[in-house]
Amino acid sequence: SAVISQKPSRDICQRGTSLTIQCQVDSQVTMMFWYRQQPGQSLTLIATANQGSEATYESGFVIDKFPISRPNLTFSTLTVSNMSPEDSSIYLCSVRDANQPQHFGDGTRLSIL
Amino acid sequence: TQLLEQSPQFLSIQEGENLTVYCNSSSVFSSLQWYRQEPGEGPVLLVTVVTGGEVKKLKRLTFQFGDARKDSSLHITAAQPGDTGLYLCAGVSADSWGKLQFGAGTQVVVTP
Repeated sequence: SAVISQKPSRDICQRGTSLTIQCQVDSQVTMMFWYRQQPGQSLTLIATANQGSEATYESGFVIDKFPISRPNLTFSTLTVSNMSPEDSSIYLCSVRDANQPQHFGDGTRLSIL
Repeated sequence: TQLLEQSPQFLSIQEGENLTVYCNSSSVFSSLQWYRQEPGEGPVLLVTVVTGGEVKKLKRLTFQFGDARKDSSLHITAAQPGDTGLYLCAGVSADSWGKLQFGAGTQVVVTP
């Protein structure tokens, strides 16, 4: 399966600032996703990162708050903008190729003060 | 509303005991995955089931996919402390537009 590297692995940020999370895959993949997870809870899909076009956001998530880039088939970024304490969470990058199971990075643990 | 209902939410057992986690839905799934997640890590895929009635074994773990492809179970025999983690079922259905839908997760704690 693809090896997924996420950076940073954790960060502590000030209220009102923005943080960009990077996701690098060691092979080309068709689909890339971004999830949010509260500790000990399940995963919530934020958006599907589409290569060469705008991301597709799930209900409750908007591009202004969570801009996403996907310049090629191995890389994507998620920015958490104008952060508030409610944005404290684990953010996970995930990838899937056609007819293959979905795999996850180790996540970025984000705390906002 | 969760498309996949997972139960129980929490399980605490002694080493050597057996446990079963259930994943149920009213939707039909083309495939269903089970993941285990440990603190500080992302979910790790344990198994994928695709055929109704399918049973897969992974050492002491047995996974079953319901005949109608609407439910699944994970059974662990003689649990060990290393089995501790958050177990997540997830699947793709006709209602999910190709996106993976997750259950709420079951936190399993196995004490020595």
